[in-house]
Amino acid sequence: GAGVSQSPSNKVTEKGKDVELRCDPISGHTALYWYRQSLGQGLEFLIYFQGNSAPDKSGLPSDRFSAERTGGSVSTLTIQRTQQEDSAVYLCASSFSSVGIDTQYFGPGTRLTVL
Amino acid sequence: GESVGLHLPTLSVQEGDNSIINCAYSNSASDYFIWYKQESGKGPQFIIDIRSNMDKRQGQRVTVLLNKTVKHLSLQIAATQPGDSAVYFCAGYTGNQFYFGTGTSLTVIP
Repeated sequence: GAGVSQSPSNKVTEKGKDVELRCDPISGHTALYWYRQSLGQGLEFLIYFQGNSAPDKSGLPSDRFSAERTGGSVSTLTIQRTQQEDSAVYLCASSFSSVGIDTQYFGPGTRLTVL
Repeated sequence: GESVGLHLPTLSVQEGDNSIINCAYSNSASDYFIWYKQESGKGPQFIIDIRSNMDKRQGQRVTVLLNKTVKHLSLQIAATQPGDSAVYFCAGYTGNQFYFGTGTSLTVIP
């Protein structure tokens, strides 16, 4: 079956511009997670959704970052007024539920480069 | 805060040899661990998991060992193949959040 997909795969933008990253989770997965992976760094948790609600936004680095999920499926991560330090690979993962422990399945990521 | 770390950033092994990748965690309340493999340009791929009530779990060519006393887990890959070259990292689950290590880059020498 189809896995987690993300778009675009690569995004180059100028400092100060807004960007929108999209994640399509595995069908039927109610939990969706966003992570950021900077060069040479581990995965940094950003936010997760259970259905359309986001119980944990603690990882968002600043108020320039926001995310939404509609219809319990597709999610978008928006970064406003991008800065060079936002350059990273943004990974999305989904799991069947976030109650208890469920394996997260990752998408291929969006590589964001802020010039 | 929570942390999950890896002992070595890089590891090189000869094709056919066994590989051992180590991971240390800080929170004894962590009750679930996963090993991921990440190939260049791809997202992390689930390899194997283990719950804290287990010491060992085996998969196809992979074994995960958990030592709760010293808060350490390892991933053993038997008969390492060139296709195993990737970054491997562990994740620990505490509360409702996963914590990830930075990864060990495994290079298999033909």
